[in-house]
Amino acid sequence: QKEVEQNSGPLSVPEGAIASLNCTYSDRVSQSFFWYRQYSGKSPELIMSIYSNGDKEDGRFTAQLNKASQYVSLLIRDSQPSDSATYLCAVNKGYSSASKIIFGSGTRLSIRP
Amino acid sequence: GAVVSQHPSRVICKSGTSVKIECRSLDFQATTMFWYRQFPKQSLMLMATSNEGSKATYEQGVEKDKFLINHASLTLSTLTVTSAHPEDSSFYICSASPSPTGSAKNIQYFGAGTRLSVL
Repeated sequence: QKEVEQNSGPLSVPEGAIASLNCTYSDRVSQSFFWYRQYSGKSPELIMSIYSNGDKEDGRFTAQLNKASQYVSLLIRDSQPSDSATYLCAVNKGYSSASKIIFGSGTRLSIRP
Repeated sequence: GAVVSQHPSRVICKSGTSVKIECRSLDFQATTMFWYRQFPKQSLMLMATSNEGSKATYEQGVEKDKFLINHASLTLSTLTVTSAHPEDSSFYICSASPSPTGSAKNIQYFGAGTRLSVL
């Protein structure tokens, strides 16, 4: 079992709709959870971080964390073509800056006009 | 804030040569930086954790003599790909994490990446 699992996609969503990206992780002691966006040929860019159960909203993005189910998701409202990218779920067991992050394989999201 | 600069952005070299990639944290100090490798359409693979003033910690399967890491200061880490071969062609990305304060716990910020092509 992979430590961080994501559906590889591609996930195709019409413009203006809600895109829902899901991620599960295997280690219950995980403390920090992140969503990164990566455009083709570019490095990852942090979209959201979440540390506590529940929802965290930032603009059109909402991250949801359920530690009991070991599940984290990202919702993108009012999807735009510029949201088309690969979204990486990342999980970290600790709070230290020296703690390494485990990345999922990414979900390719395509927003169709 | 939290800007990580990586240089060069692209390198083309002949087989057998060595290539050095620099990673700098511009507005924060990073006692730890990370080096990743990414092949096309694949996810990031952590190669090693770079520790300021001490030896790097390499992930299983990564040759430490092939990928030399030096973390000479709190703002600079370098990755040298020694005796590069075509199979080393990849996208190399560094990241760094500022000391955690408040809610910004252990967020890693990435450099722009270096695309290495070995002929």
